[in-house]
Parts: sequence; C-alpha cells; structure tokens
Amino acid sequence: GAVVSQHPSRVICKSGTSVKIECRSLDFQATTMFWYRQFPKQSLMLMATSNEGSKATYEQGVEKDKFLINHASLTLSTLTVTSAHPEDSSFYICSARVLLAGAEETQYFGPGTRLLVL
Amino acid sequence: EDQVTQSPEALRLQEGESSSLNCSYTVSGLRGLFWYRQDPGKGPEFLFTLYSAGEEKEKERLKATLTKKESFLHITAPKPEDSATYLCAVQPPGTYKYIFGTGTRLKVLA
Repeated sequence: GAVVSQHPSRVICKSGTSVKIECRSLDFQATTMFWYRQFPKQSLMLMATSNEGSKATYEQGVEKDKFLINHASLTLSTLTVTSAHPEDSSFYICSARVLLAGAEETQYFGPGTRLLVL
Repeated sequence: EDQVTQSPEALRLQEGESSSLNCSYTVSGLRGLFWYRQDPGKGPEFLFTLYSAGEEKEKERLKATLTKKESFLHITAPKPEDSATYLCAVQPPGTYKYIFGTGTRLKVLA
C-alpha cells in the first residue's frame, strides 16, 4: 500500500523560532497533499490543501504567513511553522490523495509530528 | 453546513461482544465516505471507502455499510487489539477535502 512518511516525529523548540516539517510519499507520486492539526482527544482539522507546483489553499482562519506550505515535487510537501508560539503546540499530520482500483480514492496519512513550543 | 457526527463518543466492550459505531452526515451529493482507525500518537490508518447507499465492505472483523444519511462500522467479536479511535470522514461534491467526525474511542477488554 501507499506509504507516507513525516519528519521529524517529534520536535521541541523555543518560542519565536521556526520549525519545518516534511511529508513524503515514499512509493507513489502525490499531486495533492493535505495538512491537518489535531488537539488531544479531538478530531482532525484541515489546515490547507497542498498542490504540487502551485500555491496551497488554506482553510478559513488559518494564517498563511504563519504556516508556510511548499509542495515543490510530486513526493514532498513541507509545512513551516514560522515564529512558533506555545499555542502552536499540537500534533500535525499530513496526508496524500491516493487513487485506488476502480476509480476509488482515499487519503493515506503520515505518522504525525508532535510539536512542543516552550 | 456540511457536518459529520459520530456516536457514541466512547465505547467499552468485552472481548467477543459485537457492536456498531455510527456516523451520520449532512452533506448533499456525497462524493465518498471513509473510515479510519487511529491509535494514540499515530496518524489515521485507512480502512474503507464507500460511495453509494447500500454499499458494504468487509475487512477481518470489521464491516462498513452506507445509507443516504449514515454509515455504520460493525465490529464482530472484537479483540483487545481492536481498541483504537475510529474516525469517519465525508467528501463533499466538487472537492478533494474531507470533513472528519470527532471519532469513537473504542476499548475492548480482555
């Protein structure tokens, strides 16, 4: 099956610094990837849709200058949290749109990145 | 507004005690409905995709069904390793985006 990886799995940083999270599709090409945020015991909240070679589409309420997304290749999308603050601490998960047999589709998810901003 | 509601929020079962999880949605022209399993501290794992009312899919102890307003995830004779949060998501028409429900936290006791 399609495998999506994320790096790093866990990061601790000081307030005011920037953090980059990588999302890779390991054995397939992903023209469309998604970035989600998840708080403890809550569901996934979509932050943005990342399309290869074009600007990301952000959901309402998500600051595009705060959460920079780059999808420069068919296997890599990056999320950079700029000038991180403690309220940015969360579990960030990426996914890739995958076409299955019979014209079906789904999203395969990465393992997630736990960000803690001190 | 498109919404996805899952029930119950939490469920405790004895090993072997079958049950069903519910996902109800208010989306016109549903493009697809998806079930995922999520273990603590990990990303969701894909289980099923359903597209049309009456469709059913099975995988080991799990069976997913779909009607025009809701989907059920039936768990037959669950084992402790089935303990996880089960997430339902819907895809509205004209978009690749998913709307997720808040999930059902399942605990299966040995």
